[in-house]
Formats: sequence, structure tokens, C-alpha cells
Amino acid sequence: EAGVAQSPRYKIIEKRQSVAFWCNPISGHATLYWYQQILGQGPKLLIQFQNNGVVDDSQLPKDRFSAERLKGVDSTLKIQPAKLEDSAVYLCASSTDSYEQYFGPGTRLTVT
Amino acid sequence: KQEVTQIPAALSVPEGENLVLNCSFTDSAIYNLQWFRQDPGKGLTSLLLIQSSQREQTSGRLNASLDKSSGRSTLYIAASQPGDSATYLCAVSDNNNDMRFGAGTRLTVKP
Repeated sequence: EAGVAQSPRYKIIEKRQSVAFWCNPISGHATLYWYQQILGQGPKLLIQFQNNGVVDDSQLPKDRFSAERLKGVDSTLKIQPAKLEDSAVYLCASSTDSYEQYFGPGTRLTVT
Repeated sequence: KQEVTQIPAALSVPEGENLVLNCSFTDSAIYNLQWFRQDPGKGLTSLLLIQSSQREQTSGRLNASLDKSSGRSTLYIAASQPGDSATYLCAVSDNNNDMRFGAGTRLTVKP
């Protein structure tokens, strides 16, 4: 069974630029999550999708972050414009009804 | 609001030693608790998942316990090896699958 795929693995941008991350969950997993992990901290949930609907986006900074999951499979997370404090690893995870989450390798973002 | 704390933040032990990592959470109304391993620059690998009705789970040299009423979980690693060196994260989920993580314990096992 293929795992959660994410791209790119690394990205370096300047502040005020835009960036987008892509995630392909495990086949058949209806729920998809995006987390932000700042160095030295645990991951923090940004947004949770159930199929193509948003379940929880209460911690998503909506003035600059957006996410979509148009066909209930792949998802993209966008930051526009980026700030220095957005430097972090962005993790995507997926799960079935069992609630056990499977994580991708993450995208490490550096904002300079 | 659920808060998860992991102690210690870092731990260094000689190879072969048995060790315990601690996790505490403030709201006992959890659905499950999960222990993850994270290697530098990598994503999270699930080690053990304990449902709220369970007391412990075991996998190989790993044993995780859950005391929901006191808001505590421990991860026991037997006969530690240098390959066990990583950051170990504890996470609790509620009925809405809202998962909250601790900051992790960075483990170093010295040969």
C-alpha cells in the first residue's frame, strides 16, 4: 500500500512570496489533514477535510493560508503572502474511519 | 482546550538500557492516544495506538500504557538500541478526531 505522498520536499522562498504544497493521501482514505510543525514543537492542525468538505479549519490563518481538496482525493495548501514565521515543516496525513492517521514525509519551508 | 505535555524534553541513555517516556494530557475525554516516532527531516511514523477503552498496547520492544482518569500515558522501550534514536511524539484525539500533539521527547541512545 502506497503511503501519503507530498511535494515538494523542500522549498525556500522570500517573504511576501507565494508557495503551494501538494498532498496525495492513501487510496480510500476519506479524511485528510494538514499540520504545521515549527522547529522544536509538535505538529499543529491547520485544516481537516472529510472527502472534499472542510471539517475543521479553526487554526488556519485564513488571511494568508488557503487549502482545497476539489475531488476528495488530492489536496493543495497555499500560503500567500508568506511571512518569516511561516518557516516550518508542513505535514499531510490521512485516515479512514478508524481515526489512525498516517503521515507523509512533509515539506520543509524556509522563508527568508 | 486539550493540552499535551511530554517529559523529559530530551533523554540520553546508553545502549541496552530500558527507558520510559511520559505524556500527560489535561482533558480525559479522549477517543484515543497515539505514539509516533519522528526521525530528523522526516514525517511521523505511528508506533502504537491505544483506544480510550484500552489500558495498554505492545509492539515488539515497545509498550504503551494509558491511564485516562489521571491523564497519563507512558511509552516503555526495552533494551534500547542506537537505532531507537529519534523524537517520540504523543498525540491525543477527541471524538471529532481533533488530534493534539505534545512537543516530543528527543531520545539519543549511545553505542
